[in-house]
Amino acid sequence: GQQVMQIPQYQHVQEGEDFTTYCNSSTTLSNIQWYKQRPGGHPVFLIQLVKSGEVKKQKRLTFQFGEAKKNSSLHITATQTTDVGTYFCAGPSGNTPLVFGKGTRLSVIA
Amino acid sequence: NAGVMQNPRHLVRRRGQEARLRCSPMKGHSHVYWYRQLPEEGLKFMVYLQKENIIDESGMPKERFSAEFPKEGPSILRIQQVVRGDSAAYFCASSPTTTLGGNEKLFFGSGTQLSVL
Repeated sequence: GQQVMQIPQYQHVQEGEDFTTYCNSSTTLSNIQWYKQRPGGHPVFLIQLVKSGEVKKQKRLTFQFGEAKKNSSLHITATQTTDVGTYFCAGPSGNTPLVFGKGTRLSVIA
Repeated sequence: NAGVMQNPRHLVRRRGQEARLRCSPMKGHSHVYWYRQLPEEGLKFMVYLQKENIIDESGMPKERFSAEFPKEGPSILRIQQVVRGDSAAYFCASSPTTTLGGNEKLFFGSGTQLSVL
């Protein structure tokens, strides 16, 4: 079945540094979604990308969907301690609901 | 507008007992999904239900696990004869319409942490 791979698994940054996580799918995706899970919390929807090459911004967060619609990235500019958590990408697999990657756990050192 | 409600938040069971996890979707949502999360792992899809129908249970173990979403009341994930390997966080999510093709975003509940002693 379809697999969604994320790298890196962990990332430790100093507050103020940038952070990027990458997501790769084994198949072409109709869309990709990103979720954030704070420590001890539940996943919360961040954004959905649909179009090839699409770029969307949310304040310091920039999301990209690859031209081939098989990869995506999330970039955070000037991280803050509130950015701490695990970031998941998720994509559909046929008619099966969303398949999630294993996530990238971000730690921010103040 | 209340979000997705899950209970209990924490459930402790001894090996061999049964675990029942409940999920009430957001108001107006008729689609429920169950995911399991092991420590340091992602979310693994288990089952997708609509009212009185199981749409996709491809991620659910064939034995000991079952799920339902009755006409009235919450969705229930039932694990019979629990084993230590069942210890995990179980998240329920809902959406207003179908996610066939995964086009709808999911709203997650706070999860149930199951611990099997």
